[in-house]
Amino acid sequence: EAGVAQSPRYKIIEKRQSVAFWCNPISGHATLYWYQQILGQGPKLLIQFQNNGVVDDSQLPKDRFSAERLKGVDSTLKIQPAKLEDSAVYLCASSLAGYSNQPQHFGDGTRLSIL
Amino acid sequence: AQSVAQPEDQVNVAEGNPLTVKCTYSVSGNPYLFWYVQYPNRGLQFLLKYITGDNLVKGSYGFEAEFNKSQTSFHLKKPSALVSDSALYFCAVNTNAGKSTFGDGTTLTVKP
Repeated sequence: EAGVAQSPRYKIIEKRQSVAFWCNPISGHATLYWYQQILGQGPKLLIQFQNNGVVDDSQLPKDRFSAERLKGVDSTLKIQPAKLEDSAVYLCASSLAGYSNQPQHFGDGTRLSIL
Repeated sequence: AQSVAQPEDQVNVAEGNPLTVKCTYSVSGNPYLFWYVQYPNRGLQFLLKYITGDNLVKGSYGFEAEFNKSQTSFHLKKPSALVSDSALYFCAVNTNAGKSTFGDGTTLTVKP
């Protein structure tokens, strides 16, 4: 089966600019996650979708970050305006819906550098 | 609140020797425990999980992990390490509500 696809792989922007990331999950996976991974740390959940509904966005900085999952498949994560502290790898993952005992499948991430 | 601790930032072993990467957790209710591996510039890859049943679970690439409820631990093990096992390893816990928490990772280096 095809894995989780993410693009772009790398992005360099200046602070206060905007940026968007795209994710296509594994076919049939209704649950989609966006994580922020800062160097030397584990992934931190930003937002979790079940189909096109938000399950958990408690750690999403909503003043600058937004995410959507139209039609319950692809998802985009946007940052506007970016801050230096947003430099990180943004990982998308998917899993079978409604099963906490199922592993997550990760894309290779987008490495974001803020100048 | 749930949490995961990986007390060692770095583990160094010689090729052919056994390896252990430690993980302890804190969660309300029954935990679902996972180990993932991350290679440079790649996403996390699933290695193994504990849901219920036998405390020793086996996973990919010869890895296994032992669940210890009394010590709230889920240590990753391999009887004979390979140089190619060198990578970053993450322990994670899921709750029944579907919330996932990851540790900060342990860098495993296997020297020839």
